[in-house]
Amino acid sequence: QVQLQESGPGLVKPSETLSLTCTVSGGSISSYYWSWIRQPPGKGLEWIGYIYYSGSTNYNPSLKSRVTISVDTSKNQFSLKLSSVTAADTAVYYCARHAIVLMVDYGMDVWGQGTTVTVSS
Amino acid sequence: QSVLTQPPSVSGAPGQRVTISCTGSSSNIGAGYDVHWYQQLPGTAPKLLIYGNSNRPSGVPDRFSGSKSGTSASLAITGLQAEDEADYYCQSYDSSLSGYYVFGTGTKVTVL
Repeated sequence: QVQLQESGPGLVKPSETLSLTCTVSGGSISSYYWSWIRQPPGKGLEWIGYIYYSGSTNYNPSLKSRVTISVDTSKNQFSLKLSSVTAADTAVYYCARHAIVLMVDYGMDVWGQGTTVTVSS
Repeated sequence: QSVLTQPPSVSGAPGQRVTISCTGSSSNIGAGYDVHWYQQLPGTAPKLLIYGNSNRPSGVPDRFSGSKSGTSASLAITGLQAEDEADYYCQSYDSSLSGYYVFGTGTKVTVL
């Protein structure tokens, strides 16, 4: 049973960089895509981007200039960095496994519990 | 900002059937990209409910069904139960710009 766990600071100052890590347990990070999704308080879900285990990435155009997603296969982890944060980046951040196999999209089938990040001085 | 539009809320009595629409455009649903649905119970992470327009992952009750036609998709819940009270989101792929994944605006289902 694959499980995901987000970790990182719960409070980030404006203009600084938000950094989160997602640890994959119970399975290998290989052969899957891995996404970050966020949800501002009381609002809907927003896809941030994904990384394939090989390192290729795709980002939401609205965040692309500030986002970097990386992977460390040796640790079975992938990470999110979001630069120049503002209060608008305050949200619950989720990591998820994106089951895209042989170019067929089966949806985001495993999710972490989410971690709350507040941007405030 | 979302390119997939859902009604903010739907409601029904226990045992009734409710449907949630997800309206897109020619660059996402209308382009043939699959639609997935997620259920988010209060205070929890989303859970995959329907994948590939109409398929249920193992463990999802057959009360939940999905369909797609043209530039829209729908989620139906038959035999509504109190435990179905949650937020529901559709999700697809949009080929505009460089291509990216999008979620619907979300629908709150209330069991009366």
